[in-house]
Amino acid sequence: EAGVAQSPRYKIIEKRQSVAFWCNPISGHATLYWYQQILGQGPKLLIQFQNNGVVDDSQLPKDRFSAERLKGVDSTLKIQPAKLEDSAVYLCASSLDWRGGETQYFGPGTRLLVL
Amino acid sequence: GENVEQHPSTLSVQEGDSAVIKCTYSDSASNYFPWYKQELGKRPQLIIDIRSNVGEKKDQRIAVTLNKTAKHFSLHITETQPEDSAVYFCAARLYTGNQFYFGTGTSLTVIP
Repeated sequence: EAGVAQSPRYKIIEKRQSVAFWCNPISGHATLYWYQQILGQGPKLLIQFQNNGVVDDSQLPKDRFSAERLKGVDSTLKIQPAKLEDSAVYLCASSLDWRGGETQYFGPGTRLLVL
Repeated sequence: GENVEQHPSTLSVQEGDSAVIKCTYSDSASNYFPWYKQELGKRPQLIIDIRSNVGEKKDQRIAVTLNKTAKHFSLHITETQPEDSAVYFCAARLYTGNQFYFGTGTSLTVIP
């Protein structure tokens, strides 16, 4: 079974620049999550999609972060403009459906360094 | 929202000994509790999970216990091996919307 795919794997940018991350969930998975994992901490949920609708984005810094999942499959997460504190690993995860399939499968993550 | 606390933050054990990691949660609406293992530079991998209608679950050397009344759950690893060395995260899921909240992680080192 193919896993969750993410790209790029690494990204280095300067503060105030923009960056975008891409995620392709496991085929058939309706629920998609974006997490931010700062070094030494647990993943923090940024946004959760159910198909192409947003379920929870309460912890997404909406002044600079945006995410979309237009066709209910792939998703992109954008940061504009980036700050030093955005340096982290951005993990995408997917699960079958929030009602019957809770198990989350994580992608390899995108490691972002903001200089 | 949910608040998940995890202890200890670091744990060192001798090979063959047992390791126990504890988590507490705050929201009684949480009904699913997975544990993840994350090796350095790799993605979190689910190792065991438990639902709120079960008190204990075991899978070979790994077990998880849940006390709903006290709102805490624990991971038990027996006969530890060097390859168990990693960071372990607990999480709690709110049944209302499938949001997951993670603990801060425990760095486990198994000394050969």
